[in-house]
Amino acid sequence: AQSVSQHNHHVILSEAASLELGCNYSYGGTVNLFWYVQYPGQHLQLLLKYFSGDPLVKGIKGFEAEFIKSKFSFNLRKPSVQWSDTAEYFCAVNAKGSTLGRLYFGRGTQLTVWP
Amino acid sequence: DAGVTQSPTHLIKTRGQQVTLRCSPKSGHDTVSWYQQALGQGPQFIFQYYEEEERQRGNFPDRFSGHQFPNYSSELNVNALLLGDSALYLCASSLGRTGNTIYFGEGSWLTVV
Repeated sequence: AQSVSQHNHHVILSEAASLELGCNYSYGGTVNLFWYVQYPGQHLQLLLKYFSGDPLVKGIKGFEAEFIKSKFSFNLRKPSVQWSDTAEYFCAVNAKGSTLGRLYFGRGTQLTVWP
Repeated sequence: DAGVTQSPTHLIKTRGQQVTLRCSPKSGHDTVSWYQQALGQGPQFIFQYYEEEERQRGNFPDRFSGHQFPNYSSELNVNALLLGDSALYLCASSLGRTGNTIYFGEGSWLTVV
């Protein structure tokens, strides 16, 4: 079975600070990787995804993530956060070839950005 | 707007009761997955429906059951509710079982007292 670890449960930053959220997964095979964001009272939204190819993936709202296969990691980054980035962020993994709807999520990281 | 609609948005039930949650997938999507998100946790996969059949199931007891209708909408049923079933229940839809994007609804908050 797959599992996902997000080591930072709560991150607090000031506007314009740089962000990096850690994500490590456990699975012996090939995976698809995702980052989702959940703003208060809203549905989960896809920030970015990695299926294959360039391990540096760019997503919406200035976010990017880098897949490092040797480290089983898929860390999320943003060079300069804004107050509107305050939300909960989830990393998820899906075994390649399996049904896409079956995602394994991490516990999430709550990001609070102070203006 | 993700296009996935769920109802009801909030509900309160008593231990031992049964609950039914509903989901309409995004237009054009034929696959529905259900997740449970307990407070402070990430979503956990319950099961997936495709072509009106349960195709995959996560580690949830038989008290959790579902259904998919010909119009692709879906229901999640939970019998003999326990306090621990209190959570946000999320529906996700996709096109085909291996489509490359899934969309989540806003969820149904279930509180068991």
